[in-house]
Amino acid sequence: GAGVSQSPSNKVTEKGKDVELRCDPISGHTALYWYRQSLGQGLEFLIYFQGNSAPDKSGLPSDRFSAERTGGSVSTLTIQRTQQEDSAVYLCASSFTMASAYEQYFGPGTRLTVT
Amino acid sequence: AQRVTQPEKLLSVFKGAPVELKCNYSYSGSPELFWYVQYSRQRLQLLLRHISRESIKGFTADLNKGETSFHLKKPFAQEEDSAMYYCALGRAGSYQLTFGKGTKLSVIP
Repeated sequence: GAGVSQSPSNKVTEKGKDVELRCDPISGHTALYWYRQSLGQGLEFLIYFQGNSAPDKSGLPSDRFSAERTGGSVSTLTIQRTQQEDSAVYLCASSFTMASAYEQYFGPGTRLTVT
Repeated sequence: AQRVTQPEKLLSVFKGAPVELKCNYSYSGSPELFWYVQYSRQRLQLLLRHISRESIKGFTADLNKGETSFHLKKPFAQEEDSAMYYCALGRAGSYQLTFGKGTKLSVIP
């Protein structure tokens, strides 16, 4: 009964490089969320996937950010041409059904540092 | 647009003292309110939700629609309560949660 896993746990990259962050949700969870946690800014919603529906991308801060979810399971968040302001902890969460979508199970996060 | 405000970034209390973590929200519809907690080196996890009217680890929270508040309370703080607490708002018909910026609770022994 593993929980949500994310990799890598830490990522240091140079400004201008692309990064990929991975999330493995809990098996059977149909909903998957990405958040960004910045110091003093709380949790910022980025994107939401539910089953085979089109994702809700309303929280993505710029077109440098994109995400996909393959086979309704694993998700990858990609940040292109990283900037220093992208430095944050990126959290992934999943939930079981639409009815319990609010009870989100969070992963440990990926700490991204852009130098 | 919905908004969640947690006015205190840091709250320090002595062990055994009462705790109140403030949360105010702005939303025109019928809200769903939650408290999430993140202990040191642990994952963010759901603490309680208003609809359940439950007490978890001695914490309770009452939704006050008149004051648009959902404050988290505990009568006697314990050292293990030290953590980061986030208030979150859910909207009907959406699966997004809007989080506040969080309050760091420090319980002094």
